Amino acid sequence: EVQLLESGGGLVQPGGSLRLSCAASGLTFSSYAMSWVRQAPGKGLEWISSISGSAVSTFYADSVKGRFTISRDNSKNTLYLQMNSLRAEDTAVYYCASRVLAYFDYWGQGTLVTVSS
Amino acid sequence: EIVLTQSPGTLSLSPGERATLSCRASQSVSSSYLAWYQQKPGQAPRLLIYGASSRATGIPDRFSGSGSGTDFTLTISRLEPEDFAVYYCQQFGSSSWTFGQGTKVEIK
Repeated sequence: EVQLLESGGGLVQPGGSLRLSCAASGLTFSSYAMSWVRQAPGKGLEWISSISGSAVSTFYADSVKGRFTISRDNSKNTLYLQMNSLRAEDTAVYYCASRVLAYFDYWGQGTLVTVSS
Repeated sequence: EIVLTQSPGTLSLSPGERATLSCRASQSVSSSYLAWYQQKPGQAPRLLIYGASSRATGIPDRFSGSGSGTDFTLTISRLEPEDFAVYYCQQFGSSSWTFGQGTKVEIK
């Protein structure tokens, strides 16, 4: 059974930083592209970043480009999202998801990030 | 960036009825790159349909997807109580993934 478990969310002040982690099990992690998708309270889904299985390729939505960095450690089966210069509009539940080219097949339960003073 | 517009925003139906959800793209989308997800309150999204019409593992056959180009449809043939949820379409193109704003299927 595939399991994705996010951690690292919490309350952070505007301008602050946070690093999210996503521990994966039940899949050959290095073979899977991975992504982060977020959902602001009461809103829809927003893709924010993806990384290839080998970590050679990374992609970002314009809303986070230059502030967020996606990375992975295949030896630890873990995905990361380093978030800097956080803004109030970054407040959301952040989901990690495994990606098969065009779609997201497995999702974690999410971790809440709240940006507020 | 391709924008996906879902309609209606809310669909009020009774169990046993047929639900038809629409997803319209601002530009043509490859059918291979169109997916649908279901999300229930407090839960993560679940993949229902990929490649516009292929059901994901474990998805009941009352769920079906169709369409091409700029117009795609998710159909639930007979609504079960557990099908009342929010549904999102999603596309991939130009190294970017975008979601529609969602359609809520609620009990009438």
